[in-house]
This record gives sequence, C-alpha cells and structure tokens, in this order.
Amino acid sequence: NAGVTQTPKFRILKIGQSMTLQCAQDMNHNYMYWYRQDPGMGLKLIYYSVGAGITDKGEVPNGYNVSRSTTEDFPLRLELAAPSQTSVYFCASRDRVSTNEKLFFGSGTQLSVL
Amino acid sequence: EDQVTQSPEALRLQEGESSSLNCSYTVSGLRGLFWYRQDPGKGPEFLFTLYSAGEEKEKERLKATLTKKESFLHITAPKPEDSATYLCAVQSYNQAGTALIFGKGTTLSVSS
Repeated sequence: NAGVTQTPKFRILKIGQSMTLQCAQDMNHNYMYWYRQDPGMGLKLIYYSVGAGITDKGEVPNGYNVSRSTTEDFPLRLELAAPSQTSVYFCASRDRVSTNEKLFFGSGTQLSVL
Repeated sequence: EDQVTQSPEALRLQEGESSSLNCSYTVSGLRGLFWYRQDPGKGPEFLFTLYSAGEEKEKERLKATLTKKESFLHITAPKPEDSATYLCAVQSYNQAGTALIFGKGTTLSVSS
C-alpha cells in the first residue's frame, strides 16, 4: 500500500515551459487536492476534486489546470511556467466517508522556474 | 474569511523542557481542527483531529486541546526527534470541497 505517490520529486523549468506533476493514490479515495507551499507560508489550495470527472478551483488556481479521469490519478498541469510558480507542490487525498476526514499527503514535488 | 494563525513561528527547547504551541482560528462553522507534523523535505503527517470545544487528544508526548477560538499543542518532556514543523488546519462547513485551511506552522527545534 503506497498511499499517495507524487512524481517527479524535483524539477527545474525555464520560463514559458510546461509540465505535468503526477499524483496517484491507491486507497480508493474520492477526494483529492493539490496544495502549494511557499517558504514561511501556509499550504494554499490550488485545485480539488470530489470524484472522477469532477474538479474545481481552490484559492490560487491561476496558471494551473487539472483533470480527473480516474479515481486514482489527479495530475496538475502548469502551462507557461513563471517564476511565481516556484514552490513545493503537495498532493493529498481522503476518503469520502471517514471518521476523522484526515488528509493523506504525498512527499511533494519541488519545482523551480528560472 | 476563514483564517488560521499559529504562534510562535519558531521555538527552541532543551530536551525535557515542556512547552505549548498555539493555533488561533476564525471560521464560519468549524467542522474540525487538525494538527499535522512536517519533517524537512516530506509531506505533512497527520497527528490529531479535534471537533468540539473541550476535546483533548494525546499521542506519546503530544497533547492537543481545543477551545472555541484556539487550539494548543502541548509537548511534554520533548526529545530531539520531536523537532519538526507543526501545522494547524481547520475545516469549515462552508469550505468548498471540505478542503483544509492551513496556518503557517511552528518550527520546533529540540536540542539535547
């Protein structure tokens, strides 16, 4: 049981490049989330999904896109990367029916845009 | 607007020196308050969920408490392995997707 798996762990992009951050969970969780964490700041919600085929914006969605074609996968797409997108990105998931609704987090992707 | 404020930003303790971390929150309908531990280079790891004022949860040297306006994470006789960043988060009934709103965290350093 791997939990939440994120790839890659590190990536350097040039301004204007695009990339997809991968996230997969093997716990059959309905809810999945993408957060970004900047130094000295709290985790900020980018996008979330409550099930396959359903996604919605969080607090800081500009410059990102997501899709949810399966329960397991929730990739985050960066189009036209900008230095402001330099951050650590965390994917998380939780069960729809849970006694304490805790989130399970991946180990993160550290992204630098230069 | 739902908000979470944690204090202090950083805390240095000697091994065995007990202390508390604070998490103040404003939320329109608290569904739950969460504490996470985050080690450098890793994702947050769940510690506790608290749902109502007066509730307490314990795990080893950690004890979390909740009032209507704040939560405390008490650390009793800490050890160097307790060094980490501790994150507080709230979940409100009004938050889309029932996502968590996080504070900036308190970085705890315990020296031997």
